[in-house]
Amino acid sequence: SQQGEEDPQALSIQEGENATMNCSYKTSINNLQWYRQNSGRGLVHLILIRSNEREKHSGRLRVTLDTSKKSSSLLITASRAADTASYFCATVSGTYKYIFGTGTRLKVLA
Amino acid sequence: EAGVTQFPSHSVIEKGQTVTLRCDPISGHDNLYWYRRVMGKEIKFLLHFVKESKQDESGMPNNRFLAERTGGTYSTLKVQPAELEDSGVYFCASSQYGGSVHSPLHFGNGTRLTVT
Repeated sequence: SQQGEEDPQALSIQEGENATMNCSYKTSINNLQWYRQNSGRGLVHLILIRSNEREKHSGRLRVTLDTSKKSSSLLITASRAADTASYFCATVSGTYKYIFGTGTRLKVLA
Repeated sequence: EAGVTQFPSHSVIEKGQTVTLRCDPISGHDNLYWYRRVMGKEIKFLLHFVKESKQDESGMPNNRFLAERTGGTYSTLKVQPAELEDSGVYFCASSQYGGSVHSPLHFGNGTRLTVT
């Protein structure tokens, strides 16, 4: 059964604006990870947040995690055309179970 | 360090035929995963190997799918006989450690399978 569910399904913004996408999940987790997929390529790991962390930053990325609401958000600041891609959250439960959602398609217009 | 490689990148076959997908994980990565994405839907887990052993194959859709990982190195995923609903992109990923030690997955570029 599907664990992570991203929202919105698609997002279109102007270069320089911020992009926010959300992920909701159903069960308890060890950590939550965000990945990016460029068209025709594999997924690339962006950032990981552990279940005991609430916020994490990496460059222009900011991730928050609210375990009481079983939700996470990914903020990309000052977006660039090169950020155009699909973004997926993956919840990790147990020792090995990585479950992905349907993804958010982000389009950054130059 | 070489990444995860998958072969072929594309495959078009007729219903009823057999197709074998191959994945070479990053050297030293004991964990190998197969996922599938059908157009617009979630990236669905198929199965997970730890070395040569199947740790979890709960996502395999039916017995037309057979995955192997001989010697704990590369893995193959065979679909026999293929059906129309098997079309999609098949991803392979590997990791050195399991998820509980907060390890990211490294993905290949996927194999796009089209069954006509």
